[in-house]
Amino acid sequence: DAKTTQPPSMDCAEGRAANLPCNHSTISGNEYVYWYRQIHSQGPQYIIHGLKNNETNEMASLIITEDRKSSTLILPHATLRDTAVYYCIVPGVRGSARQLTFGSGTQLTVLP
Amino acid sequence: DAGITQSPRYKITETGRQVTLMCHQTWSHSYMFWYRQDLGHGLRLIYYSAAADITDKGEVPDGYVVSRSKTENFPLTLESATRSQTSVYFCASSLRQGYGYTFGSGTRLTVV
Repeated sequence: DAKTTQPPSMDCAEGRAANLPCNHSTISGNEYVYWYRQIHSQGPQYIIHGLKNNETNEMASLIITEDRKSSTLILPHATLRDTAVYYCIVPGVRGSARQLTFGSGTQLTVLP
Repeated sequence: DAGITQSPRYKITETGRQVTLMCHQTWSHSYMFWYRQDLGHGLRLIYYSAAADITDKGEVPDGYVVSRSKTENFPLTLESATRSQTSVYFCASSLRQGYGYTFGSGTRLTVV
């Protein structure tokens, strides 16, 4: 599995963009980057994933550097409900399925 | 209702008892997963399944048994519960590799 490194915590003002970085310098050419978040006591929620091109959906944007060694998840207008732990994951393949290995993630706190 | 459901939401059991946690999904997703989440360890993969009758061990399989006779169900059994298995258990499903996982709401298990 490619190891990912994220800052343990970040703050963001409500209404501003939240930019969450992730380093994955050992990622291989065909490995995707996935982002999930977990709001307190709930199951993790899929946000977005990408390979090399930037991606956008209704929740967020994902910017992947050209060398693919890092990425940034962008929440364009953070709200209080976006307070959660955000996980950047490069799934490994073992056995019969590609598996998600959750690290410590980044605790994002959106401040009023 | 469509989705992925876990039951029970809360369970208290005694050491040595057998307990089964249920997971049911209505999408006919091929892949299903069981994770446990403990303070200080994050989410750890217990078992996963790529299809009916195909199961594989994850990171922490000891003390657990799974089965998948039907695509929609993936029960997790603790054959002889121990206090160290006190945790929050999350089930997830995925249509196929490369797709995001959808997680259930979790089962909070306490072994006394």
